[in-house]
Amino acid sequence: EAQVTQNPRYLITVTGKKLTVTCSQNMNHEYMSWYRQDPGLGLRQIYYSMNVEVTDKGDVPEGYKVSRKEKRNFPLILESPSPNQTSLYFCASSTGGRYGYTFGSGTRLTVV
Amino acid sequence: KQEVTQIPAALSVPEGENLVLNCSFTDSAIYNLQWFRQDPGKGLTSLLLIQSSQREQTSGRLNASLDKSSGRSTLYIAASQPGDSATYLCAADSGGGADGLTFGKGTHLIIQP
Repeated sequence: EAQVTQNPRYLITVTGKKLTVTCSQNMNHEYMSWYRQDPGLGLRQIYYSMNVEVTDKGDVPEGYKVSRKEKRNFPLILESPSPNQTSLYFCASSTGGRYGYTFGSGTRLTVV
Repeated sequence: KQEVTQIPAALSVPEGENLVLNCSFTDSAIYNLQWFRQDPGKGLTSLLLIQSSQREQTSGRLNASLDKSSGRSTLYIAASQPGDSATYLCAADSGGGADGLTFGKGTHLIIQP
């Protein structure tokens, strides 16, 4: 089944403890993105990647890192999480053109 | 910088009504306009994608239209059902997919039985 898989689905962590949210797609898509969703603010893009080793900042990149060492994987790294990074996170991938984006099921992160 | 606005922010209608959700975008140079559905606390399900060369797309009771010149898209839901209750999001692809999507804040739809 074609899909974007995020792990974990839920995570509670403490301030300052480094964490990684994984994202993997099995559709051989070139393009991948990370978003966060917050009440009243909607979905905002954190980082995106156009291919292996090609990444760029979205609208809210502060406090996050990404890497794209393989085409299928695009992990989101929080080096020192803070409470204001408590949010619902989505990973998405696309091959561009008329096929649109496919989203993962989301990761609900709570930083205390 | 692309900006996407959705009106209304919330809508409550009786079952069986036809309804229209609106989406506007500031930069008409888009590749695609994609409509999603999101149930509370859940992921995004793609409903319809309209390419820049198209005027509309249909899937079952859903019809989405696109007018690039006016920067507007609409999602028409026919014969609404309680199961249609969800948040509907529109998103503009301004870079051919390469640099992701710009989302509106959504329309929260409630269909009263």
